[in-house]
Amino acid sequence: QVTLKESGPVLVKPTETLTLTCTVSGFSLSNAKMGVSWIRQPPGKALEWLGYIFSDDERSYSASLKSRLTISKDTSKSQVVLTLTNMDPVDTATYYCARIRDGGSPFQYWGQGTLVTVSS
Amino acid sequence: DIVLTQSPGTLSLSPGERATLSCRASQSVSSDYLAWYQQKPGQAPRLLIYRASSRVTGIPDRFSGSGSGTDFTLTIGRLEPEDFAVYYCQQYGGSPYTFGQGTKLEIK
Repeated sequence: QVTLKESGPVLVKPTETLTLTCTVSGFSLSNAKMGVSWIRQPPGKALEWLGYIFSDDERSYSASLKSRLTISKDTSKSQVVLTLTNMDPVDTATYYCARIRDGGSPFQYWGQGTLVTVSS
Repeated sequence: DIVLTQSPGTLSLSPGERATLSCRASQSVSSDYLAWYQQKPGQAPRLLIYRASSRVTGIPDRFSGSGSGTDFTLTIGRLEPEDFAVYYCQQYGGSPYTFGQGTKLEIK
């Protein structure tokens, strides 16, 4: 059974760095062509793709966030980490992680999401 | 980047009616790697359709997808009360994996 779960702070201050962890089970981050993508959704708004990382460490980021966003993984812990620097109130959103596969893969498995609020 | 434009923004229908949702891409979607998701309040999106027309196992057959290239459609044959939600299309043929802005399907 594939599961993903996001964890991290619910509140961050402007200019701080957000670190979120996606802990996965039911698959291995070391399996060929396996990966995790991050998506966010501001309250009442649409989904926004942020980036992904694959088992071979291939990464891709949204152009609008590329200068602030880093996605990394710890295969031994079955975790993928999102780091977003210089947080702003517009970054307030529910952050989701989802499993993907290389070679064209829709997002069939999602975490429950975690709401992060940016406020002083 | 591929921009996905969904229409209409809101669709008001009654249970039992047929719903037709549109997703138009600014350029051709590679290999028709276009997916449809359903999202209900407080929940993560649920994958319904992938590769434009393939239904995920367990999704009722009243949901169907069609289209290719730049024009895609999600059709819900006879609306059930649980179908009223927000629907998103997404292209995953190449990075960035963009989403449409969503269509809200509401009860009339």
